[in-house]
Amino acid sequence: EAGVTQFPSHSVIEKGQTVTLRCDPISGHDNLYWYRRVMGKEIKFLLHFVKESKQDESGMPNNRFLAERTGGTYSTLKVQPAELEDSGVYFCASSQRLRGGISGANVLTFGAGSRLTVL
Amino acid sequence: AQSVSQHNHHVILSEAASLELGCNYSYGGTVNLFWYVQYPGQHLQLLLKYFSGDPLVKGIKGFEAEFIKSKFSFNLRKPSVQWSDTAEYFCAVAPNYGGSQGNLIFGKGTKLSVKP
Repeated sequence: EAGVTQFPSHSVIEKGQTVTLRCDPISGHDNLYWYRRVMGKEIKFLLHFVKESKQDESGMPNNRFLAERTGGTYSTLKVQPAELEDSGVYFCASSQRLRGGISGANVLTFGAGSRLTVL
Repeated sequence: AQSVSQHNHHVILSEAASLELGCNYSYGGTVNLFWYVQYPGQHLQLLLKYFSGDPLVKGIKGFEAEFIKSKFSFNLRKPSVQWSDTAEYFCAVAPNYGGSQGNLIFGKGTKLSVKP
């Protein structure tokens, strides 16, 4: 099966500009997650979609970040306006809906990441 | 706040040496535990996972990890590393809230360099 696909792989923009990152999850995966790794830091959770609904967006840094998943398929993460501290690698991951009998067990498949550099 | 600590930032080994990467977490409840690996130029891949049962879990490529609940640890081991194991390794923990898995909390990662 095709994996999680992210686009672009690398984006270089100037402070104040807008960038939109896209994630195509594995087909049929209801759960979609965004994570971010700032250089030298740990990978941090941003938000979680179940189909088109935001299940948890507690990790979103501020209102300059907007995530959407219209139709419950691919997702976009827009940063507007971008700031220097937004530089990092943005990972998308997806997983299947938990099945009956597999309580609390959820394995994520990650994409290759989108590296964002804000100058 | 919940956190995951990986003891080593960068480990350098020669081929055939044994490997142990430390991982400790801070969360008092039930957890699901993971090790992910990122090979150069590739995406994060699942190495192994622990949900319940035998605390010694075996993963791909000869890796294993042991969950020690009393120590809040989930150390990764491999008896004999190869040059191809050069990668960055991430420990991750997901709190289990009464059967519902919370979001992954990652450590900072450990870079492993294996000299041929």
